[in-house]
Amino acid sequence: GAVVSQHPSWVICKSGTSVKIECRSLDFQATTMFWYRQFPKQSLMLMATSNEGSKATYEQGVEKDKFLINHASLTLSTLTVTSAHPEDSSFYICSARDPDQPQHFGDGTRLSIL
Amino acid sequence: GEDVEQSLFLSVREGDSSVINCTYTDSSSTYLYWYKQEPGAGLQLLTYIFSNMDMKQDQRLTVLLNKKDKHLSLRIADTQTGDSAIYFCAESISGTDKLIFGTGTRLQVFP
Repeated sequence: GAVVSQHPSWVICKSGTSVKIECRSLDFQATTMFWYRQFPKQSLMLMATSNEGSKATYEQGVEKDKFLINHASLTLSTLTVTSAHPEDSSFYICSARDPDQPQHFGDGTRLSIL
Repeated sequence: GEDVEQSLFLSVREGDSSVINCTYTDSSSTYLYWYKQEPGAGLQLLTYIFSNMDMKQDQRLTVLLNKKDKHLSLRIADTQTGDSAIYFCAESISGTDKLIFGTGTRLQVFP
């Protein structure tokens, strides 16, 4: 079945650092990947849709300069949280869609900014 | 806008059936999904149903869809302690690849 790998699973860093999270589709090519954010005990909120070879589409209220998305190949999308601050601490989850199949999710990245 | 609602919490005894309910708003949703999330983990796709179906059964899981009332349910037969998790329903937004997730239902199974 479709497998999505997300790395790292947990990162702790100082305020002001930029953090990169990778999302890979391991056994299929994904022209579209999605990035979500989840606060404790809450649902997933879609941040942006990552399109291979073109700019990401951001949801309303998501700062594109803060959350940089790159989808340079059909199997890799990256989310970079620039100049991270404590309020950016959250659980970030990516998903990828094999054409004509449901979205499959990575295991998430827990980001803690001190 | 789109809004997907679920009850927050469900507690059942091991061996009983669990029924998790979901209401959605987009009547043109093509697919509706159920995902399971264990603590600190990503989402695991459990099952999904096409909008022109009323029911889908997959081993211990039964999905019922009432399109008129925009109501979706997930029944887990013979619930086990390993089924304890948060369950999210999600609807696809017509014309896009996007999903809108429900608020999540925390299922607790006790012996």
